[in-house]
Amino acid sequence: NAGVTQTPKFRILKIGQSMTLQCTQDMNHNYMYWYRQDPGMGLKLIYYSVGAGITDKGEVPNGYNVSRSTTEDFPLRLELAAPSQTSVYFCASSYSGGGVTDTQYFGPGTRLTVL
Amino acid sequence: DAKTTQPPSMDCAEGRAANLPCNHSTISGNEYVYWYRQIHSQGPQYIIHGLKNNETNEMASLIITEDRKSSTLILPHATLRDTAVYYCIVRVFGGGADGLTFGKGTHLIIQP
Repeated sequence: NAGVTQTPKFRILKIGQSMTLQCTQDMNHNYMYWYRQDPGMGLKLIYYSVGAGITDKGEVPNGYNVSRSTTEDFPLRLELAAPSQTSVYFCASSYSGGGVTDTQYFGPGTRLTVL
Repeated sequence: DAKTTQPPSMDCAEGRAANLPCNHSTISGNEYVYWYRQIHSQGPQYIIHGLKNNETNEMASLIITEDRKSSTLILPHATLRDTAVYYCIVRVFGGGADGLTFGKGTHLIIQP
């Protein structure tokens, strides 16, 4: 299994541009998450999904959108990029159900700079 | 989820046991203690979790006090590759899809 993969690894955007961060997992997990991590800080939840077609806001959703059309994919869309969105973005997935440990598995991250 | 308190940084000599403390005095009866770590620039990695009994796996041991108000993560023979930020997180087991609450964690530095 590849686990959780993210593309791109790095990206520089100009203010006002848009982009989509891709996230794919091959573990058949039902839950998926997007976090951001600013320098020297812990991760903050942006959006999450409990299954295909179902998404909900986390702690810091402003400026982002998500969709989940399949179990495997959970793209994060940035509209009108702002310098405050300069951060490292991590996607994660977990399986929840039947008393199974809901360990979250993280991707390698996307480092985004908005200038 | 209950709040946790960890020291910002710790040093440990290579080959020695690294003991990382965590206070969670407001933990509820149905909340577990989880530990994750983040090696520089990588995504966080799950280490171990427990409710009230001590737990051990191939990576580490978790000691939870009897009153459950604090815990210690033990890396028995620390190596340079264990240098990372370690996060102690308290949450309900299978606690829904509302994500993990990460604080600033403890930056563990393993010295050669």
